[in-house]
Amino acid sequence: DAEITQSPRHKITETGRQVTLACHQTWNHNNMFWYRQDLGHGLRLIHYSYGVQDTNKGEVSDGYSVSRSNTEDLPLTLESAASSQTSVYFCASSPSGGLSYNEQFFGPGTRLTVL
Amino acid sequence: AQKVTQAQTEISVVEKEDVTLDCVYETRDTTYYLFWYKQPPSGELVFLIRRNSFDEQNEISGRYSWNFQKSTSSFNFTITASQVVDSAVYFCALKSFGNEKLTFGTGTRLTIIP
Repeated sequence: DAEITQSPRHKITETGRQVTLACHQTWNHNNMFWYRQDLGHGLRLIHYSYGVQDTNKGEVSDGYSVSRSNTEDLPLTLESAASSQTSVYFCASSPSGGLSYNEQFFGPGTRLTVL
Repeated sequence: AQKVTQAQTEISVVEKEDVTLDCVYETRDTTYYLFWYKQPPSGELVFLIRRNSFDEQNEISGRYSWNFQKSTSSFNFTITASQVVDSAVYFCALKSFGNEKLTFGTGTRLTIIP
């Protein structure tokens, strides 16, 4: 069955370190998204991509970067981790079609703690 | 700018009671889509329903029903005869035609007391 996976599921790191969270989907979806979930804020969009070599900033993109070299993967990099980036991170994907009707499918999430 | 408001941060009801989760949205677009997702204690996000702005028919799926009213910009979710398995955080979300990005509300944590 097609799916979307994230790794690692849990990560503890130190302030200032570079961290990369992986997201892999086997649906062949063109659209991929990264969100962070924090209490009181719901899910907020960090970065998104509509296809290979396409990346765009979301509402909370500072301190994060993504790259899209193939359809299946959208890794999220924290260039220099900060305690404010302690959060649960969700990757999602959706098929393109121009109508925006489709729901997004979410990965299981990665819990990141920055000490 | 789009906005989704879920004013109820937490709700607790006794099992078998009915409960309604409120969702109010703001958008300037005429064509848009509304969604509900469920996040059980295990943490994953589960898609529940999608509704487009031209379809104001209420929808029922088992114990779940959704009431979409454009006049009040609301898309409320009712669980009838609640069960403990309904305990979760529920998110309402919005996106516009031609835009793949979802705008989420802050979620409502529903606890069903056995």
